[in-house]
Amino acid sequence: ETGVTQTPRHLVMGMTNKKSLKCEQHLGHNAMYWYKQSAKKPLELMFVYSLEERVENNSVPSRFSPECPNSSHLFLHLHTLQPEDSALYLCASSQSTGRGELFFGEGSRLTVL
Amino acid sequence: TQLLEQSPQFLSIQEGENLTVYCNSSSVFSSLQWYRQEPGEGPVLLVTVVTGGEVKKLKRLTFQFGDARKDSSLHITAAQTGDTGLYLCAGASRTGNQFYFGTGTSLTVIP
Repeated sequence: ETGVTQTPRHLVMGMTNKKSLKCEQHLGHNAMYWYKQSAKKPLELMFVYSLEERVENNSVPSRFSPECPNSSHLFLHLHTLQPEDSALYLCASSQSTGRGELFFGEGSRLTVL
Repeated sequence: TQLLEQSPQFLSIQEGENLTVYCNSSSVFSSLQWYRQEPGEGPVLLVTVVTGGEVKKLKRLTFQFGDARKDSSLHITAAQTGDTGLYLCAGASRTGNQFYFGTGTSLTVIP
């Protein structure tokens, strides 16, 4: 058990759908992250939250909308995605931003048709 | 963006052989981490190195942080099939809020 759980593990959606990815951490960490992992590309940081406040937004298109209602939960709302958005979306947490170890969830494999 | 280049990108070796993976950057990091990712799972931390020149050993794995804290290497002795996976280095920015990940090395150990 990693302490970080992501749901769903797999998601297939059309370009006009609206869906959400969920992440929950049971480690008492203050920082949570969304990463995108595509084939042949480094892990791309999308968003960073510290104590429910967004501290980084790496030029991510507005069709991705994060939400952090509390320090244990992180969502990624998806709307009118493109096929090139198909990837593995990884959630991670750490004690504080940019410090310590990143604990990753198992990821949500997203396919956009 | 602080780019971390890993080499080689792909590596396929026989069980029992030794190998080294490199992680290079032009940026200085406060610390550097190595992760291993298996198919269908998220990356899992192997080690964190903090001091320039530091060497850490984890059973058959040896990690080194460059003196200038810009690069690192991972050496595996007598590779086993269980070592198969994607190896990722990640640098912690000295001033920022994030970890920068390398391009990854996909290792396959053939029995």
